[in-house]
Amino acid sequence: QVHLQESGPGLVKPSETLSLTCIVSGGSISSYYWSWIRQPPGKGLEWIGYIFYSGSTNYNPSLKSRVTISVDTSKKQISLKLSSVTAADTAVYYCARFVGWNDGPDIWGQGTMVTVSS
Amino acid sequence: DIQMTQSPSSLSASVGDRVTITCRASQGIRNDLGWYQQKPGKAPKRLIYGASSLQSGVPSRFSGSGSGTEFTLTISNLQPEDSATYYCLQHNSYPRTFGQGTKLEIK
Repeated sequence: QVHLQESGPGLVKPSETLSLTCIVSGGSISSYYWSWIRQPPGKGLEWIGYIFYSGSTNYNPSLKSRVTISVDTSKKQISLKLSSVTAADTAVYYCARFVGWNDGPDIWGQGTMVTVSS
Repeated sequence: DIQMTQSPSSLSASVGDRVTITCRASQGIRNDLGWYQQKPGKAPKRLIYGASSLQSGVPSRFSGSGSGTEFTLTISNLQPEDSATYYCLQHNSYPRTFGQGTKLEIK
């Protein structure tokens, strides 16, 4: 059974870069799309972007200038970098898998909380 | 971006009831819609994909319908464990967009 595990610093200072990783276990990273989605405390879900295992990406235009998603297939790892963070970037960050380009996420990680504060 | 308008924002129902949650897309999305259930402190869990296909392992009391711009999630024979927030997600175009969520309380 495929399992996703996010990890990274729980606290990031304003203007710095948020860096998270997602480890895929129990299944292949190849042939799938891997996305990042976030949820501010008490609020709804926001799509950040995705990466295909081959490396092609698509980002939410609202975050595009600050987001980089990368993949390391040898480590079965997906990474998220979000630069110039502010308090508005405080959220639970989820990684999630989807099967086809025209599909929605079917498997989610448990999420990791990131707080932006000095 | 496609806007997803979900209603109601909250509802309260009793065990055994049937409830319906609606999602409206700002433009046609064929049947490219999923429904997700999220319990406090947990990741969302997919219930429905392709507007009406039941995710494996999900109880059959959950059902979805609709196409184009209007979609519904129906939960029949409500159970205490159905207390959660429900979200729709359009997977027709990028960026993917979610509805605002519906918080379901079981009386």
